[in-house]
Amino acid sequence: GQQLNQSPQSMFIQEGEDVSMNCTSSSIFNTWLWYKQDPGEGPVLLIALYKAGELTSNGRLTAQFGITRKDSFLNISASIPSDVGIYFCAGQNPQGGSEKLVFGKGTKLTVNP
Amino acid sequence: GAGVSQSPRYKVAKRGQDVALRCDPISGHVSLFWYQQALGQGPEFLTYFQNEAQLDKSGLPSDRFFAERPEGSVSTLKIQRTQQEDSAVYLCASSPGRVETQYFGPGTRLLVL
Repeated sequence: GQQLNQSPQSMFIQEGEDVSMNCTSSSIFNTWLWYKQDPGEGPVLLIALYKAGELTSNGRLTAQFGITRKDSFLNISASIPSDVGIYFCAGQNPQGGSEKLVFGKGTKLTVNP
Repeated sequence: GAGVSQSPRYKVAKRGQDVALRCDPISGHVSLFWYQQALGQGPEFLTYFQNEAQLDKSGLPSDRFFAERPEGSVSTLKIQRTQQEDSAVYLCASSPGRVETQYFGPGTRLLVL
């Protein structure tokens, strides 16, 4: 099935550092979403973006919807140990008739205290 | 309030067995989605319902996979004659209405031996 190109695949950082990850697609999406998944749990929504060029923050998290509608990035500032987990980007095109989400392969984040 | 619940949380099946996975969405949620997540990958869309209507089943990998939501609430994903490649986490998500946030359950981890 279709998956988005997400990078990096994994990151090992020190507590307090900033983190950046991004997602690209060969096709346009009208909605971009960022989820976090902890072991044994389902993904939890962090940020939703609905408009090309939109920059949205949620606490220490900031995400942007690319102008071309084919990419998005997520930044985490001043990382803390509880930021550990797998981050997924997801695109959605409800105007295309389906509400399904298309996910990236994830970025595994490890934070060393 | 209660979130999305799934049962069983873990299922071990012998190759060739049939399995049924249950999803209880958040009460009142109109849309219900099923995703398959292989180890180390992002979730991949299988199918979704709006009330009892199955609007998109384009992600079901074969005719061994069947989903239903007869009363527009609880849903069951059935896999017939399971194969080893069916081993994955099956995630269910629900949303209040069209094009709204999808809330994920914890998933059912299926292992086919």
